[in-house]
Amino acid sequence: DVKVTQSSRYLVKRTGEKVFLECVQDMDHENMFWYRQDPGLGLRLIYFSYDVKMKEKGDIPEGYSVSREKKERFSLILESASTNQTSMYLCATLGQGYYEQYFGPGTRLTVT
Amino acid sequence: GENVEQHPSTLSVQEGDSAVIKCTYSDSASNYFPWYKQELGKRPQLIIDIRSNVGEKKDQRIAVTLNKTAKHFSLHITETQPEDSAVYFCAASNSGGSNYKLTFGKGTLLTVNP
Repeated sequence: DVKVTQSSRYLVKRTGEKVFLECVQDMDHENMFWYRQDPGLGLRLIYFSYDVKMKEKGDIPEGYSVSREKKERFSLILESASTNQTSMYLCATLGQGYYEQYFGPGTRLTVT
Repeated sequence: GENVEQHPSTLSVQEGDSAVIKCTYSDSASNYFPWYKQELGKRPQLIIDIRSNVGEKKDQRIAVTLNKTAKHFSLHITETQPEDSAVYFCAASNSGGSNYKLTFGKGTLLTVNP
C-alpha cells in the first residue's frame, strides 16, 4: 500500500509569513508533485520533482518554491504567504506502474 | 501546454440511472487519460484509466471511452448508487519523458439521489 503523508491537515498563517508544507512518501519513487485545489478550478500543478534536487515548474508556480533534498521528502515553500494562497494543498507520488498518482490527505492552509 | 475541459460541472441523477461526464483535451501527443474520484473530505483516488491505443475500457459499472481523432474521452457510470456521489476529475498526460505529470479538468460534482 502506497503511503503519502503531509505534515499538517490544517494550518493557519499570517500574511507575509514563510510557510513550509512537507510531504513524505514511502514508495521510494523519483516523481513527486504539489497541487493546489480550489472549488471550481480543479487540481492545478504547482511544482513537480523527478529526482532528488531536480524540480520543474508546473502551471502555477508564482509565489511558491520547492525543495527535494531526500528522495522520500518533497517540501512546498510559500516565501511570503498571501491571502490568495488560502487553499487545499495536495502532494502526490507515483506507484510502481508509473502512471497512477497517489495523493496525500491534503493540507488546508488559511492565510489571514 | 495541455488544456483539459470537463463538462458538466454538476450532475444530479436518480439512483439507478446512468451518468456521463465528458472531457476534451488539446494536446494531440497526450496518450494517457485517467479518472479520479474524490469523496467529500478525502483524497482523490484513481478509479479507471485508458491509454491511447484502446478505445474503450470497462470495470464493472464504470467505463471510459476515448476518441483520439476528436480529442475527447468520457466516463460512464451505470446503475448509479448513492456511494457514487463525489467529485470526479478527468486528466490527460503525455507519459513520454520522465515527468508523468497530469493536467486535470475542473471536476464534476455528481450527486446520486436515493
